[in-house]
Parts: sequence; C-alpha cells; structure tokens
Amino acid sequence: QQQVKQSPQSLIVQKGGISIINCAYENTAFDYFPWYQQFPGKGPALLIAIRPDVSEKKEGRFTISFNKSAKQFSLHIMDSQPGDSATYFCAARVGGGSNYKLTFGKGTLLTVNP
Amino acid sequence: DAGVIQSPRHEVTEMGQEVTLRCKPISGHNSLFWYRQTMMRGLELLIYFNNNVPIDDSGMPEDRFSAKMPNASFSTLKIQPSEPRDSAVYFCASSGLAGRTGELFFGEGSRLTVL
Repeated sequence: QQQVKQSPQSLIVQKGGISIINCAYENTAFDYFPWYQQFPGKGPALLIAIRPDVSEKKEGRFTISFNKSAKQFSLHIMDSQPGDSATYFCAARVGGGSNYKLTFGKGTLLTVNP
Repeated sequence: DAGVIQSPRHEVTEMGQEVTLRCKPISGHNSLFWYRQTMMRGLELLIYFNNNVPIDDSGMPEDRFSAKMPNASFSTLKIQPSEPRDSAVYFCASSGLAGRTGELFFGEGSRLTVL
C-alpha cells in the first residue's frame, strides 16, 4: 500500500518556468512533510519541510503549499534553473518522541531545459 | 564534519552469494535507517534503529535480509543468498534527536548488482 502518492513521475520545464509537483496522503497520523532533492549518484538531501498546521512555507524559490482537509501538498519551484534538474521526493513522517520514520513518494524526475 | 559513510559504493555479485553493506552514521546521531531505491518502487524503508535497537523491520523483504547495529557508529545490511531482484541502490541514513524535524542525512548509497 502506497501511503504517499506523488505525481507527475517526470516533468520537463523551460528555464524560468514554474515546476509543480504534487503529493497526496491518507494517513492522518502523519505530522511532518519534508521534500528531498536527489542528484544523480548522490543520496537524497532535505530541501524544505512543512508541518500540517501551516498552509504555506517559502524558502527562496521553493514553496510548499499544504491543504490539510484535502490531504494534499505540493512543491512549487519558481524561476526554475537547469541546476534544479534532479529527482524530487515528497515524504511524510509518522511517529513520536525519538521513534519515527519517513515514508517517501516514488519521486519526480525534473528536467529544466536551458 | 563527515557525513554518512557507506561501503562499498558499488558491488557486483553472482546470484547465491552473500552481500554485506556497511554504514557509518554521523557521530552523535542516534537513529539509523536503511532504504532501498529502485525505479519501480522508489525509496523503501527496510529497517530502522534507535539507539542501536531495531525499532521497525517490517520493510525487510524476507528472511534473506538481515541488519545489525552492534554500536552507535556502525551498521550492516546483509543479504544471504542474494538474488537478481535484490539489485538496487541501498541507502543508509542517520538522524539525531534534532531529527524530530524529519531531516535524515543520507549516505551516497551502495549500488548492488546481482547477476
């Protein structure tokens, strides 16, 4: 059972455009929603994260929009650059205290053309 | 400060052989995670440890897989016997108490090919 559904699987955007990646979840016990960025040959690295009591979080060109009632969240990359070309994973955390785990979406391969 | 260190980076082996992947987490981190990445299934959590104790191994695919964490600075993931369907990139990640934010620090992965 896939707990975090991510779309699209791949995305091609022109330089300067907006990249949008969407995720949906079912488990209402999830309490934290990070996005990870992965370059070829590297491990994923945290990009930006949001808690469910916040509807939007912005860091530079990256914005997370969160809709708790719809159980959906999305990553927007403004003014996309070729250096943003990577695989992006949404994730959701369940747990408490010092015991927790992240469930990842299947990833979106973003290509930004110059 | 060194990040999560995994070895080997690449492993090619034949079906039936034993494979051992190794991980050194970031010093001071108390949680360690093993993930497997494939095109079909994405990033799957295999097992995670907290303070060297296995907390959840429900993602371990079958008895051929085993993981240990004998101390805070070392963990192994073993596959015995290996099968072609085990071919994947295996990531180790660690997190400290500050990781309550959900931030995992990943190693660069071990790419396993089973022929």
